Amino acid sequence: AQSVTQLDSHVSVSEGTPVLLRCNYSSSYSPSLFWYVQHPNKGLQLLLKYTSAATLVKGINGFEAEFKKSETSFHLTKPSAHMSDAAEYFCVVSDGLRGNLIFGKGTKLSVKP
Amino acid sequence: NAGVMQNPRHLVRRRGQEARLRCSPMKGHSHVYWYRQLPEEGLKFMVYLQKENIIDESGMPKERFSAEFPKEGPSILRIQQVVRGDSAAYFCASSTHPTDTQYFGPGTRLTVL
Repeated sequence: AQSVTQLDSHVSVSEGTPVLLRCNYSSSYSPSLFWYVQHPNKGLQLLLKYTSAATLVKGINGFEAEFKKSETSFHLTKPSAHMSDAAEYFCVVSDGLRGNLIFGKGTKLSVKP
Repeated sequence: NAGVMQNPRHLVRRRGQEARLRCSPMKGHSHVYWYRQLPEEGLKFMVYLQKENIIDESGMPKERFSAEFPKEGPSILRIQQVVRGDSAAYFCASSTHPTDTQYFGPGTRLTVL
């Protein structure tokens, strides 16, 4: 069965410093992995998606994630945080042919001025 | 292109009443997924539908909950005899194919008094 574990429930960074949000996955086959972002009281927006084409995936708003099979990780990074990045981030794995998504518990990112 | 639309955005019901949540998928999308987000938790898959068919309802509570996606019109998630524990945000997502990216609507926030 597929699952994802987000290692931090809350991450706080200063504006202009790097962001690292950690995610480990478990999958019995080559997974499709995603990062979604949710701003307060809003819906979810897709940041980026990995589907085995390239291990380093670039997303919107300067975010990227690297798929590391040996470490079963898919961490999300950004070189320089912006105040508008403050939100909740979800690491997600797709349940194969059925397509339903399995979400991590989320990481709340706070950005201090 | 209009995105996934959900209405109402906010719904207040008293215990024992019925709640009907609507989802119109993106144009050209025939696969619809419903997810529930309880307070302080990630999203949990509820049901996956194609036009006129329920494909996977493994995440649906056994009683009081039902879903449909008729040939014409939006997908409906129906909760009968609501209880306080049903208070949550309900998100709908759509895709062109089960393995394609799912695009989320803004959600319906249900409050049961």
